[in-house]
Amino acid sequence: EPEVTQTPSHQVTQMGQEVILRCVPISNHLYFYWYRQILGQKVEFLVSFYNNEISEKSEIFDDQFSVERPDGSNFTLKIRSTKLEDSAMYFCASSPGLAGTDTQYFGPGTRLTVL
Amino acid sequence: LAKTTQPISMDSYEGQEVNITCSHNNIATNDYITWYQQFPSQGPRFIIQGYKTKVTNEVASLFIPADRKSSTLSLPRVSLSDTAVYYCLVGYTDKLIFGTGTRLQVFP
Repeated sequence: EPEVTQTPSHQVTQMGQEVILRCVPISNHLYFYWYRQILGQKVEFLVSFYNNEISEKSEIFDDQFSVERPDGSNFTLKIRSTKLEDSAMYFCASSPGLAGTDTQYFGPGTRLTVL
Repeated sequence: LAKTTQPISMDSYEGQEVNITCSHNNIATNDYITWYQQFPSQGPRFIIQGYKTKVTNEVASLFIPADRKSSTLSLPRVSLSDTAVYYCLVGYTDKLIFGTGTRLQVFP
């Protein structure tokens, strides 16, 4: 069964450093997403991406965050200057169509630790 | 987006049927109801989705009454491996809004 993959599984960085989290969505999917989950809290939507542009973003997704689909397979989340409160699990997801009617498939996550 | 309310936690024993009810009083006409499962340190996993009446797949059933203001996820004969958090989501957009979910603990 096709699956979403994410790298790295764990990233440790110093506060103020830039990090790039990588995802390979399922190949025939058209919609791509990033979510995060702070330890012990609920999953939070960050951004959705369709047709090479952001279709929706949350208030969490401020100017420090950016997403890119640099080629036909990868989907990245960049955090320009990490803060302690960015420590969380970051999940990438993809779906063939709109999430309301189509299943979102989540990757295993990247655990980001900001020191 | 419709707000959902579900129990914070539930306990069950292996082999029992578990029913988790979700309340979504302000569901909109276009909204679908979707349930996800999440194990610790893993991404959410789709379980089932429906719009009205009953939907069944190989792992669960979803019951939706005519007014669609609630829904019930039914897990037949749970096992220890069903211990997880279960989320009810309602919407018709490309962003999923997760609540706190229901933490199901299955005991031997």
